[in-house]
Amino acid sequence: ETGVTQTPRHLVMGMTNKKSLKCEQHLGHNAMYWYKQSAKKPLELMFVYSLEERVENNSVPSRFSPECPNSSHLFLHLHTLQPEDSALYLCASSQRLAGAYNEQFFGPGTRLTVL
Amino acid sequence: GQNIDQPTEMTATEGAIVQINCTYQTSGFNGLFWYQQHAGEAPTFLSYNVLDGLEEKGRFSSFLSRSKGYSYLLLKELQMKDSASYLCAVLDSNYQLIWGAGTKLIIKP
Repeated sequence: ETGVTQTPRHLVMGMTNKKSLKCEQHLGHNAMYWYKQSAKKPLELMFVYSLEERVENNSVPSRFSPECPNSSHLFLHLHTLQPEDSALYLCASSQRLAGAYNEQFFGPGTRLTVL
Repeated sequence: GQNIDQPTEMTATEGAIVQINCTYQTSGFNGLFWYQQHAGEAPTFLSYNVLDGLEEKGRFSSFLSRSKGYSYLLLKELQMKDSASYLCAVLDSNYQLIWGAGTKLIIKP
């Protein structure tokens, strides 16, 4: 595997379900990100991890819970979601957290549908 | 507040040239990125500008004017595979990426 991978690619869940999204980066990067992408809206940054420590939480509802067990893996645990949470969830990584020319590498995303 | 503006959708003809504009108002500036995103796929890096001027990379070029808060992505010799969304993003003073909503480019034969 190369780059950034995400599983599952598609997920349909009811509002009472609990599920998890998984992200893995094979680039040796130190920073990882979760984004939400809704149609015709800018990417919304949800969580940022640097060296396995959470450094940002942009007022994300508690029904989204991130976990970063090591610098290569990132999870997003989901429970009691709402239909408006349906979106594409993108994971990204970068060499470092801050600095110029800090290109982010994205995974293919998980298309989430909440019924 | 911080804001990135780009057209929602553009249409162009195969073989032609198209320019996608991006204007920004951010707290500080540490560079501007352009990403390409095909439907159902990951955004992929196209270009990065931090100094004023034009950066050329094959059929794609990106221009930046920091004084005007303005950038454009120029695509030449358009191919059908260039049909995608093009995302503009600015690194602000805290090195946080501020994203535009993206421009969906439709290429017609």
